[in-house]
Amino acid sequence: QAVVTQPSSLSASPGASASLTCTLRSDLSVGSFRIFWYQQKPRSPPQFLLRHKSDSDEQRGSGVPSRFSGSKDASANAGILLISGLQSEDEADYHCVIWHTNTWVFGGGTKLTVL
Amino acid sequence: QVQLQESGPGLVKPSQTLSLTCKVSGDSISRGDDYWTWIRQPPGKGLEWIGYIYHNGSPYYNPSLQSRLVMSVDTSKNQFSLRLTSVTAADTAVYYCARAAFDAGAYFFDSWGQGIPVTVSS
Repeated sequence: QAVVTQPSSLSASPGASASLTCTLRSDLSVGSFRIFWYQQKPRSPPQFLLRHKSDSDEQRGSGVPSRFSGSKDASANAGILLISGLQSEDEADYHCVIWHTNTWVFGGGTKLTVL
Repeated sequence: QVQLQESGPGLVKPSQTLSLTCKVSGDSISRGDDYWTWIRQPPGKGLEWIGYIYHNGSPYYNPSLQSRLVMSVDTSKNQFSLRLTSVTAADTAVYYCARAAFDAGAYFFDSWGQGIPVTVSS
């Protein structure tokens, strides 16, 4: 079982909200981890979006709009990136990453299509 | 604003050694605090952390690559490097260098190079 799992793709309509999940392996408790989210557009490096550990411990990257927010679903053992008011420019790959046993571990990334 | 730029060959033959360098500008590697990192992305796939090196030369590698990997830092040139031996087609990827900066209690990748595509093929 992979340490971090993301769905490979997600589609949503402009103006709607999208929830991207980042599920941790069952022996790891999502509550113990900061979840970092990166956005990557074609032919560009990833860019830091935000990190989330709790509602009181969240930080967005410079210039990242408040439409992007993080949360956790303890029952699913997952971190969530919520994007509200979807815009065409949000179409991109989204990667989550955690710091685990002195290594950074990425999920496989989710391709978000806005249509 | 820190900038990172990867350089190296775009084509490497199987079983040979891949060598890449990341030139840093706008920040001094010697300043400390930061982890200078390599990350790769195979075609159509997700990101994989390769390893990082500290300004004093102390490295930490992804265990899955550790036996083939050497990272080094040259503070006089403000750059750091990666050597990956015995490459195979599975090492074909875009290789990124990045800075992991410490802020509000955690390290995160705040600056990235543009990436350099590397193909392993005869």
